[in-house]
Amino acid sequence: QVQLVQSGAEVKKPGASVKVSCKASGYTFISYGINWVRQAPGQGLEWMGWINAYNGNTNYAQKLQGRVTMTTDTSTSTAYMELRSLRSDDTAVYYCARGLNDIAVAFFDYWGQGTLVTVSS
Amino acid sequence: QSALTQPPSASGSPGQSVTISCTGTSSDVGGYNYVSWYQQHPGKAPKLMIYEVTKRPSGVPDRFSGSKSGNTASLTVSGLQAEDEADFYCSSYAGSNNFVVFGGGTKLTVL
Repeated sequence: QVQLVQSGAEVKKPGASVKVSCKASGYTFISYGINWVRQAPGQGLEWMGWINAYNGNTNYAQKLQGRVTMTTDTSTSTAYMELRSLRSDDTAVYYCARGLNDIAVAFFDYWGQGTLVTVSS
Repeated sequence: QSALTQPPSASGSPGQSVTISCTGTSSDVGGYNYVSWYQQHPGKAPKLMIYEVTKRPSGVPDRFSGSKSGNTASLTVSGLQAEDEADFYCSSYAGSNNFVVFGGGTKLTVL
């Protein structure tokens, strides 16, 4: 069965960076894309970006351009999301979600369990 | 402020039907047939309920259906059950500048 297992909760200080991992199993990793979606406490979902696991192409949300980097390690079927220059409003649960290798067909059929990132001094 | 507009809340009694709207623009909902809907129970990850406007993933009950007219997409839940109580989010492809946008979410209450 398809599973996306994310790394554990993180606490970071403002200005620091965080890197969240998402290990996929149960399907051919390079045949699908990985999206990252975050949810601030009590708030809605926010799409952060997408990586094509086949060729590494990425698309990021405009508001995060320059602060976020998404990568994959195909040898371990793991996707990574790094967010830099953290601010308090980056405090959120971060989800990875499987999509297609075509961002235009924008639906996410399997989700990780979520990783809470808390930014606090 | 979310790119897509959803009502904050909706409700219905068991067995009834309820429809949740999702209004965007011609640059997202109206421009592409790539609207999807997600159900999220408290403390859980979202679950895909509808994709490409009307399609249901395997395992999703046919009580859930999707539609679109112009810039507004809709999710209808028929034969409401207690376990349907959750937050629902719509999303849409929004072109090569914004890519993917979500609605603000609708809290569905089963009375």
